[in-house]
Amino acid sequence: NAGVTQTPKFQVLKTGQSMTLQCAQDMNHEYMSWYRQDPGMGLRLIHYSVGAGITDQGEVPNGYNVSRSTTEDFPLRLLSAAPSQTSVYFCASTGQAEQFFGPGTRLTVL
Amino acid sequence: GESVGLHLPTLSVQEGDNSIINCAYSNSASDYFIWYKQESGKGPQFIIDIRSNMDKRQGQRVTVLLNKTVKHLSLQIAATQPGDSAVYFCADLSYNTDKLIFGTGTRLQVFP
Repeated sequence: NAGVTQTPKFQVLKTGQSMTLQCAQDMNHEYMSWYRQDPGMGLRLIHYSVGAGITDQGEVPNGYNVSRSTTEDFPLRLLSAAPSQTSVYFCASTGQAEQFFGPGTRLTVL
Repeated sequence: GESVGLHLPTLSVQEGDNSIINCAYSNSASDYFIWYKQESGKGPQFIIDIRSNMDKRQGQRVTVLLNKTVKHLSLQIAATQPGDSAVYFCADLSYNTDKLIFGTGTRLQVFP
């Protein structure tokens, strides 16, 4: 049982590049979500999913896309990276009792 | 919009003392509240949760109190230890929206 895994751990992009942050969970949780955390701040919800085939916008969805084709995977896509998207990204998976976070992806956009 | 915030950005306590971290929320429809601990370079870690139909819940060395009248949430840590040093976040969920929204965090510093 690996919990929540995220790849990559670190990434540097140039403005305008695209990439996908991967997130997977092996706990059969229906609810998954993506957050970004900027220095000295709390986590802001980007997108979330209540089950396979269902996604919805969070607080700061602009510039990001998500899909949920399987229960296990919830990738986050940056279509055209901007310096404002420099942040640490956390994926979370929520069960009945608690929420589990992945280790995070530190993204820098130059 | 709706928000969840914290009163104190930094809290310094002596080892062995009790710590109290406060949080105010504005969404009267909030159903569920969670406290998280985040150590440097790591993701948030679940500490304890409480549902809106409760006013107190206890865990191991931690207690969460919920006052719905004034929309206030607190986390009490008994006998604070150096390992408790971290940033603590409260988060709130409304079952109507399924959105878990975080506050800005309080840094807890424990000194000997």
